[in-house]
Amino acid sequence: EAQVTQNPRYLITVTGKKLTVTCSQNMNHEYMSWYRQDPGLGLRQIYYSMNVEVTDKGDVPEGYKVSRKEKRNFPLILESPSPNQTSLYFCASSLRQGSYEQYFGPGTRLTVT
Amino acid sequence: GQQVMQIPQYQHVQEGEDFTTYCNSSTTLSNIQWYKQRPGGHPVFLIQLVKSGEVKKQKRLTFQFGEAKKNSSLHITATQTTDVGTYFCAGPSGYGGSQGNLIFGKGTKLSVKP
Repeated sequence: EAQVTQNPRYLITVTGKKLTVTCSQNMNHEYMSWYRQDPGLGLRQIYYSMNVEVTDKGDVPEGYKVSRKEKRNFPLILESPSPNQTSLYFCASSLRQGSYEQYFGPGTRLTVT
Repeated sequence: GQQVMQIPQYQHVQEGEDFTTYCNSSTTLSNIQWYKQRPGGHPVFLIQLVKSGEVKKQKRLTFQFGEAKKNSSLHITATQTTDVGTYFCAGPSGYGGSQGNLIFGKGTKLSVKP
């Protein structure tokens, strides 16, 4: 089954404690992306990757890091989480950048206290 | 920068009533996509429109792409409780061969009263 998986689905952590949210897709997609979703603000792109070892900033990259060492995986790293990073995070993938259907993961609900 | 705006932000309807959400881009779009996010779920692709003036139907849902390719609408006829969720439109930045990332509207949250 074609899918995007994310782990963990829920996470409560404290300020400053490094964390990683994993994302994996099994569709051999070149393009992967991270979004955060906050009430009234819609989906905002954090980082994206057009292929292995190619990543770039989205609209709200501050406080986040990503890597793309393998085509299927695109982890999101918060080196020193802060309360303003409390949000719902979605990983997504598509065949390529641009006019292609995006497949979203189930989401990760992060709370930083 | 390029913006995609959606109205209304919220819509409450009685079951059986019609519903429409509108999407407007600040620039011409090469295509537009629509997604639905059920409560507690993730966005799921519904459809893509490519041609100027294109109209596509999926059962009770009718999608339209404007003649100038700067606006789009989603109309649901006779809403049902299964239609509850947030509907997003999205269009790629850039045009033609230089398309970039998808830019999402903020969505319209639909609630349906039985």
